[in-house]
Amino acid sequence: DAGITQSPRYKITETGRQVTLMCHQTWSHSYMFWYRQDLGHGLRLIYYSAAADITDKGEVPDGYVVSRSKTENFPLTLESATRSQTSVYFCASSEASPSSYNSPLHFGNGTRLTVT
Amino acid sequence: DQQVKQNSPSLSVQEGRISILNCDYTNSMFDYFLWYKKYPAEGPTFLISISSIKDKNEDGRFTVFLNKSAKHLSLHIVPSQPGDSAVYFCAAVLPMDSNYQLIWGAGTKLIIKP
Repeated sequence: DAGITQSPRYKITETGRQVTLMCHQTWSHSYMFWYRQDLGHGLRLIYYSAAADITDKGEVPDGYVVSRSKTENFPLTLESATRSQTSVYFCASSEASPSSYNSPLHFGNGTRLTVT
Repeated sequence: DQQVKQNSPSLSVQEGRISILNCDYTNSMFDYFLWYKKYPAEGPTFLISISSIKDKNEDGRFTVFLNKSAKHLSLHIVPSQPGDSAVYFCAAVLPMDSNYQLIWGAGTKLIIKP
């Protein structure tokens, strides 16, 4: 099925552990994004990628690492998880830059991460 | 400093009536605005957008109004249906901005009562 899939859907990890959230899209969209959603906040951009091997920081990148060796995959790694990283994480893709009119983001269904 | 604000965390509307969701912004440089809809356990989905050069955009039951002088936009849903119950996010885009792409509001939970 075409679309964008995130895995796992739920993850519980301990403080200090490394954890990787996976994101895969089948549209061959150039742009991919990682957001976190916390209560009382809108979606906050962690990292984004304009193409394979091109990544850049967003609003809240500290404690996260991304890579994009293939167009379709954009994993997000928490190198040493902290309780403040407990959140719902959304991956998204778009055909062109969201600054372009009529290039909306397509989101995955999210990963709920709990750091104990 | 929140550049995009949705001041109502929730809104309850009778089925068949009009739902009006509001969004205020502070940055007059925003180039266009979008509304996304989110159901529980799903990602947001794009609903409707409006360019800063327009004051209204309509798509079926959904209409977005933009008042640039007041830095305010609203989403009207007429008539409201049970399937419209969801969280609605307002988002704004800065022209040629490469860092933040979209600035999001915190969302408004819309509940449609039967």
